[in-house]
Amino acid sequence: SQTIHQWPATLVQPVGSPLSLECTVEGTSNPNLYWYRQAAGRGLQLLFYSVGIGQISSEVPQNLSASRPQDRQFILSSKKLLLSDSGFYLCAWSVSWGNEQFFGPGTRLTVL
Amino acid sequence: KNEVEQSPQNLTAQEGEFITINCSYSVGISALHWLQQHPGGGIVSLFMLSSGKKKHGRLIATINIQEKHSSLHITASHPRDSAVYICAVTGNQFYFGTGTSLTVIP
Repeated sequence: SQTIHQWPATLVQPVGSPLSLECTVEGTSNPNLYWYRQAAGRGLQLLFYSVGIGQISSEVPQNLSASRPQDRQFILSSKKLLLSDSGFYLCAWSVSWGNEQFFGPGTRLTVL
Repeated sequence: KNEVEQSPQNLTAQEGEFITINCSYSVGISALHWLQQHPGGGIVSLFMLSSGKKKHGRLIATINIQEKHSSLHITASHPRDSAVYICAVTGNQFYFGTGTSLTVIP
């Protein structure tokens, strides 16, 4: 069966520090991968998606970047965090674009 | 105007009540999704619809493509149904509703 992992579960970082969140999927090949952010009291916002290794599409210009170094690994990064980067970050995968998505447990990031 | 509108924003029900959450969208879509987000933050996909009606246990989802409208029904609601329910549509892009917060009181 397929599983999706995210870590860390919670993170507190100072403004200006770097960020690296990792997401891995098991039990499937060539998944579509997604990074979402949910700010406090707000809806889900799609940040990045990837249809294959090295292929990243950005939905919203921001202080973040994403990379897919391996088929089932998706990384969300920042060189310098802003206060506005605080939120709940979710990784998800699907068989293809528009299909049912399976979400990871999420990372709650607080930037102080 | 948001591409996906949900109503109501908040809903409180007594255990056992029949619940309906509505979703309207304004863009062309290939599929509509209903998601459930628990208080801890985890999200589970409930349904993916492109036409008609689907049922899983006490949950029923319907979609009317012509009217660009979907409903999520919960029969015999239970406190464990308390969560935020999110409607999302996919076409060329993903669009998400802001969610309906449901509280079921014992």
